[in-house]
Amino acid sequence: DSGVTQTPKHLITATGQRVTLRCSPRSGDLSVYWYQQSLDQGLQFLIQYYNGEERAKGNILERFSAQQFPDLHSELNLSSLELGDSALYFCASSPTGTSYNEQFFGPGTRLTVL
Amino acid sequence: GENVEQHPSTLSVQEGDSAVIKCTYSDSASNYFPWYKQELGKGPQLIIDIRSNVGEKKDQRIAVTLNKTAKHFSLHITETQPEDSAVYFCAASRGYGGSQGNLIFGKGTKLSVKP
Repeated sequence: DSGVTQTPKHLITATGQRVTLRCSPRSGDLSVYWYQQSLDQGLQFLIQYYNGEERAKGNILERFSAQQFPDLHSELNLSSLELGDSALYFCASSPTGTSYNEQFFGPGTRLTVL
Repeated sequence: GENVEQHPSTLSVQEGDSAVIKCTYSDSASNYFPWYKQELGKGPQLIIDIRSNVGEKKDQRIAVTLNKTAKHFSLHITETQPEDSAVYFCAASRGYGGSQGNLIFGKGTKLSVKP
């Protein structure tokens, strides 16, 4: 158990809908990272928050957004969902803002868009 | 931007044999190279990492080597056991700040260790 929690574990929804994925980092970790894992693309970095502020952006679509709250939990919002958004979404946390440190991954949320 | 290529995509070995997974990276400024193991139904977990000022690092049955000139790094697992069966990801980053400071992952290697 990494200490990172993600809810829900599974999510099934329809095209055009909007969903919110939630992540609670390990106690004391200030950084939260979001990744998308699909069979053909592997693990793709989406976005990083550090102590409530956006720190870095990767391959995140404009339809996707995220935020980190004062208690350091984070939410990833996916809107106007398309079939191709079906994937595993992982949240990871680390103590600092640099990727020089180990990232602790949660168990993931499996999103299925029908 | 940074690109990380990983080979092979699948690897099957007999228990007790060694396994080697290779990665190449494109950004010469990359200075941090972790390896993550992902078991079925779980998130990736760091198993070993190496920084650019080191050529080799070992941790029991696992070792990683780095060739900065060739922009190439490898994971070596000796005396493989069935519990080593998983998907292994290599990654690279510059380590500090900005989008290029974040981890860029290879596409993974599915390792199967047959008893």
